[in-house]
Amino acid sequence: DTGVSQNPRHKITKRGQNVTFRCDPISEHNRLYWYRQTLGQGPEFLTYFQNEAQLEKSRLLSDRFSAERPKGSFSTLEIQRTEQGDSAMYLCASRESGGETQYFGPGTRLLVL
Amino acid sequence: RKEVEQDPGPFNVPEGATVAFNCTYSNSASQSFFWYRQDCRKEPKLLMSVYSSGNEDGRFTAQLNRASQYISLLIRDSKLSDSATYLCVVVDRGSTLGRLYFGRGTQLTVWP
Repeated sequence: DTGVSQNPRHKITKRGQNVTFRCDPISEHNRLYWYRQTLGQGPEFLTYFQNEAQLEKSRLLSDRFSAERPKGSFSTLEIQRTEQGDSAMYLCASRESGGETQYFGPGTRLLVL
Repeated sequence: RKEVEQDPGPFNVPEGATVAFNCTYSNSASQSFFWYRQDCRKEPKLLMSVYSSGNEDGRFTAQLNRASQYISLLIRDSKLSDSATYLCVVVDRGSTLGRLYFGRGTQLTVWP
C-alpha cells in the first residue's frame, strides 16, 4: 500500500496519560499536515510540515501538543497529559510540492477516559 | 464566523433522485475549492475540484460562484453507494501552506 499510513488506528487512554501517534506520508510527498476531527464536525487544521520544518501551528495546538518530522519523512504527534476533550480522530495528510490534492491517512481514533 | 458553512442535513433520498448540497465561505481571498467525501469512520477522500466555469464528473456537477462566495454539488441519479458525508473545502489565496478549511459536512443517505 503506497498511501498515507497512520498508527495506531485506535487508542484508548486514561486522562493524564501521554500518547503518541505516527504518520507515514506518501513517498516523495514533502508536505505533511495534521488535522483533528470531532464528531459531527469537519477536520480542523493542527499543524503543517514542509520537509522537516514545522511552518505553521494552529491555535488548537496547545502546549500539551507537540509534533515532529525529524527526517522529513514520517511524523509524530504527541499529546501530553491527555484530557477528555482530546478525544477525536487525528488525521494526517500529505501532498507533493506543487500538487493541489492532499491525501489523507485512515486516522487515529483517540478516546480519553 | 466559521470559514466554511454547510447545511449538515441529513438528506435522505431514494435511489435515482437528484440532490444538491450547498456551502458558503467567508474569505473572499479563498483560492481553491473542493468537495471531499467521507464514509462513516473513514478518512476524507477527494471527490472533485470546483472551478468557476463549473465541472462535471459523471453524475456529479460542482459549481462555484465567487461573487456570492457559494459552492454547490449536484448528484444526479443517486446510488446507494453515494451514501456518505460530503465535505466542502476551501484553500486561501496565496497560501503556500495549502491548509484546508472544511465545512462540517452534509450527510446523505440514499435508500432503496
